[in-house]
This record gives sequence, structure tokens and C-alpha cells, in this order.
Amino acid sequence: GQQVQQSPTSLVLQEGENAELQCNFSTSLNSMQWFYQRPGGSLISVFYNPSGTKQSGRLTSTTVIKERRSSLHISSSQITDSGTYLCAMERGSGSWQLIFGSGTQLTVMP
Amino acid sequence: ETAVFQTPNYHVTQVGNEVSFNCKQTLGHDTMYWYKQDSKKLLKIMFSYNNKQLIVNETVPRRFSPQSSDKAHLNLRIKSVEPEDSAVYLCASSSYAEQFFGPGTRLTVL
Repeated sequence: GQQVQQSPTSLVLQEGENAELQCNFSTSLNSMQWFYQRPGGSLISVFYNPSGTKQSGRLTSTTVIKERRSSLHISSSQITDSGTYLCAMERGSGSWQLIFGSGTQLTVMP
Repeated sequence: ETAVFQTPNYHVTQVGNEVSFNCKQTLGHDTMYWYKQDSKKLLKIMFSYNNKQLIVNETVPRRFSPQSSDKAHLNLRIKSVEPEDSAVYLCASSSYAEQFFGPGTRLTVL
């Protein structure tokens, strides 16, 4: 089965609304990272957040190791937030190879 | 500028040809990676490499091979491309668990 499950698959918001993206892991969590990708664009690291809560501007990430989940909250969404958000966990064995979820496609409408 | 650089941006080739993609990082990291992103945007690890260890994802066909001259460079060679190799190939680097990605090389196999 899929080790990293993201939800929702897609999300459409009006500008100014908040977004909550979820990531669930089927195995023990070593480390995890959130990424942002525009169509045809490169992968940009949003948060490296193996545990706890981190905030950067309008973005907040919360990882709960015991529950094997992480969330990304976007407050007061803007049109420029549109794109794909991907979460990834470390594959294990000390290799630091990442296993990715299938992503959440976020569209923010004016 | 410190970042992860990839060349070429895109490459079109025919089935059976050999291709090689370059990756260089100026972040001073010890570990580099190659990922493949398919048409559904799903990212999968192919290799990770530092000066001590090459870790290969067991699903990677043997026609793919990483090549490194030093810890700042990790190239990807595909010996005889096949249609299913069409994808975006992303290079990344890390000094610990947090990874930083290059812009990707889009390969189209005709």
C-alpha cells in the first residue's frame, strides 16, 4: 500500500480563505518535509518539520509523530499560492531518501 | 549563488539512444539524489549517493546509472532509453535530512 497519503487530492478556494492539507504515513516517521511546486516549476522546500509546529508567514506545519501525520495550514490564501503541495517522509535505513505523497493541487480563485 | 543546478532543461531523443544529465550543487552538501517525476506528478527516488555509499532503489532499471566525479556533482546516465523513461528527472542534495532540489530535466523519448 501507499506509504504516504495526502488529502485532499485537489482543493479550490476563494482568495482569502484558509486551506488545510493533510499527510498521513503508514510507517514510523523519521523525518518529513513539505514542498511546493508550480506547473513546470522546480520543487521548493516549504518546511522541514520532523516534529512539532513550525510557522513561516501565512504557512504553518504541524507534525505529530505518534499519530504519523503532518498538516500544512495556509491562512488567508492568495492567488500566488496556487500550485501543487507535496509532502515526503524519509524512506529509512539512514539513506535520507524521500518517499513522496501524490500531492494536493491547490487553486486559489480571485 | 548557492543552489542545485541541472542541465539540460529538456532533452528530446529517440528510443535506444544514450543520454546523460548533469547535476551540480554549490551548497556544500555531502549527499546527492536523483528522483523521477512521472506524468502524474508522482516523485520516486532513484539513487542517493555520498562519498561512502551508493543506495539504489530496487525498482530502477539497470540502464540507469549515476556518475559522480566529486561530492558536488552527480550525473545520471541512461544507456538505452525507452518510451517509459519520458519524465522529469530531479536532482537534490542534503547535508542531513532536509533536501533541496534543482529545476529538473524534462526527457521526452520518441
